[in-house]
Amino acid sequence: GENVEQHPSTLSVQEGDSAVIKCTYSDSASNYFPWYKQELGKGPQLIIDIRSNVGEKKDQRIAVTLNKTAKHFSLHITETQPEDSAVYFCAASESSGDKLTFGTGTRLAVRP
Amino acid sequence: NAGVTQTPKFRVLKTGQSMTLLCAQDMNHEYMYWYRQDPGMGLRLIHYSVGEGTTAKGEVPDGYNVSRLKKQNFLLGLESAAPSQTSVYFCASSSDLQETQYFGPGTRLLVL
Repeated sequence: GENVEQHPSTLSVQEGDSAVIKCTYSDSASNYFPWYKQELGKGPQLIIDIRSNVGEKKDQRIAVTLNKTAKHFSLHITETQPEDSAVYFCAASESSGDKLTFGTGTRLAVRP
Repeated sequence: NAGVTQTPKFRVLKTGQSMTLLCAQDMNHEYMYWYRQDPGMGLRLIHYSVGEGTTAKGEVPDGYNVSRLKKQNFLLGLESAAPSQTSVYFCASSSDLQETQYFGPGTRLLVL
């Protein structure tokens, strides 16, 4: 089955700096890669996703890049703000399967 | 729309007791999932359903049972609770595998 590794487990950045979280996956058939944000006391919420037919996707201050050859994908947050502080999860799935496999999460702290 | 709701929000059980966690969604989604979240372990899939009347095992199914008698509801049962089942449980639903999963607010379970 799919295995998703996520690094780092914790990340602290100064407000205004950029944050990068990286994930690797094992199943070369995986073709869907979402990122979820979990705020304290709440359930995860999708913030961006990418499919294997593109290498990069942006939505305002967040972007995701995908390297299919190396089997890794990354979340980039620019101009970080205190409200970006949360736990972020990457995930992967393949279209013929029926479930997502999540990474172990990254706790991001943005220092004012 | 309420989205995904979970009951109860918090529960304390003694070892050996049983309980049922209820998940309800009002988005007419076919797919529903039960995850557990433990520190450092991320989100692990317990059981899932790809439609009314169907269930399937996820990554960590032992000690749990599920039922999907109605499309909008997905029940998670613990027949004989163990301290190892102390966790936060999240339910999620989606219209398809590679579409957004909408998560409930979680149920915090403590087994003594």
